[in-house]
Amino acid sequence: GAVVSQHPSRVICKSGTSVKIECRSLDFQATTMFWYRQFPKKSLMLMATSNEGSKATYEQGVEKDKFLINHASLTLSTLTVTSAHPEDSSFYICSARVGRTNTGELFFGEGSRLTVL
Amino acid sequence: AQSVTQLDSQVPVFEEAPVELRCNYSSSVSVYLFWYVQYPNQGLQLLLKYLSGSTLVKGINGFEAEFNKSQTSFHLRKPSVHISDTAEYFCAVSHNQAGTALIFGKGTTLSVSS
Repeated sequence: GAVVSQHPSRVICKSGTSVKIECRSLDFQATTMFWYRQFPKKSLMLMATSNEGSKATYEQGVEKDKFLINHASLTLSTLTVTSAHPEDSSFYICSARVGRTNTGELFFGEGSRLTVL
Repeated sequence: AQSVTQLDSQVPVFEEAPVELRCNYSSSVSVYLFWYVQYPNQGLQLLLKYLSGSTLVKGINGFEAEFNKSQTSFHLRKPSVHISDTAEYFCAVSHNQAGTALIFGKGTTLSVSS
C-alpha cells in the first residue's frame, strides 16, 4: 500500500514555542491531505483539509492562526503549531488518499506526539 | 453531514472467542464505510472497506463486516480472536464526494485476554 510518513514522531517543547510537523507521501502524489488530532482514548478529530497549492480548509472550532497548514507540493504537507501551550499536547496524525477519487482508503502517517511543557 | 456511532467503548473478550464491534452511521447521502485498527502510539491501519457491491466485506487478519443499509450499520466481526487483536478499532464514514475526509467514530477498545 501507499506510505505516508510523519516527522517527528515525538516532540517535546516549551510553552510559547512553535513546532512544525511534516507529512510526506513517499510513493504517491497526494493532492489532498488531512490532519487529525487525537486526544487520549478519544477518536480522531478532523482539524483541516490540506490542498496542494491552495489554502487549507479548517473545521469549525480549529484556530487557523494557531495551526498553520502548508501544502507546498504534492508530496509534502506541514502543520505548524504556533505559540504552543500545554493544552495543545496531543497526538497529531496526517493522512492522504491516493488519486483524486473518494473511493480509496486514507493512508495514515505514524502520528506525531506533541508534549508542551 | 455524516456521523458515526460506535456503541461499545470497550469490549473485553477471551482468546479464541468470537467478537462483534458495533457501528452505526448517519448520512443523508451515499457513503463509503471503513474499519481501521490502531495499535498503541501508532497510526491507523485499514482493516476493510465497503464501497459498493456485496454487503459482506472481508478484510485483513480474519475480520469481516456486513453493511446493512436498512439498519445503517456496519458491524465488524471476527470468529476467533487472538491476544494480538488487542487494539483500538475505529469505524469511519466518507461521503462519496471527491476530496472528502473520513469521519470517525469514538473507537472501541478490544481487549483480548487468555
